[in-house]
Amino acid sequence: QVQLQESGPGLVKPSETLSLTCAVSGYSISSEYYWGWIRQSPGKGLEWIGHIYHSGSTYYNPSLKSRLTISLDTSKNQFSLKLSSVTAADTAVYSCARGILTGYYLASYFDYWGQGTLVTVSS
Amino acid sequence: EIVLTQSPGTLSLSPGERATLSCRASQSVSSNLLAWYQQKPGQAPRLLIYGASSRATGIPDRFSGSGSGTDFTLTISRLEPEDFAVYFCQQYGSSPLTFGGGTKVEIK
Repeated sequence: QVQLQESGPGLVKPSETLSLTCAVSGYSISSEYYWGWIRQSPGKGLEWIGHIYHSGSTYYNPSLKSRLTISLDTSKNQFSLKLSSVTAADTAVYSCARGILTGYYLASYFDYWGQGTLVTVSS
Repeated sequence: EIVLTQSPGTLSLSPGERATLSCRASQSVSSNLLAWYQQKPGQAPRLLIYGASSRATGIPDRFSGSGSGTDFTLTISRLEPEDFAVYFCQQYGSSPLTFGGGTKVEIK
């Protein structure tokens, strides 16, 4: 059974960097899947943040690309998200998920998700 | 960016009834690369349908997806008590991947 669990600070100050980790169990992230981040806020609904291939190739939402880094830590079987220069608009529930390879560049849907973690940006 | 508009926002039905949910795209979804998910409060989303019409592993056959181009539909043939939830669609045919705003299926 594949399980994903997000962790990280629930409160981040404006202009600082939001950092989250997704621990994966039941499957090796070194194998053939994407590993992605999605966020959900009342104002914007669900928003794809980006995902990373097991090889380390990354695919980012253009609206967040300049502030975003997604990386893998295969030794710990986890992957991470860093979003810099956050504002209140980045307040959301952040979820990690496993993305299916479809054979099309970047194209992925998600078959396993974490429960999500609320991150509030506030001073 | 492809905008997905789901309708209705809320669907009030009784167990045993048929539910028809719509997902309309602002432009054609490449190769009908569209997925549907179910989400219950406090739970992770559950993949139901991918490729517009293929059921994910373990999904009951009362769930079916159809459509192409810009118009897609999720149908639940006979609602079971556990089907009352929020449903949302996602297109993965072009970047950025985008999601619909969701349809809540509630008990009438």
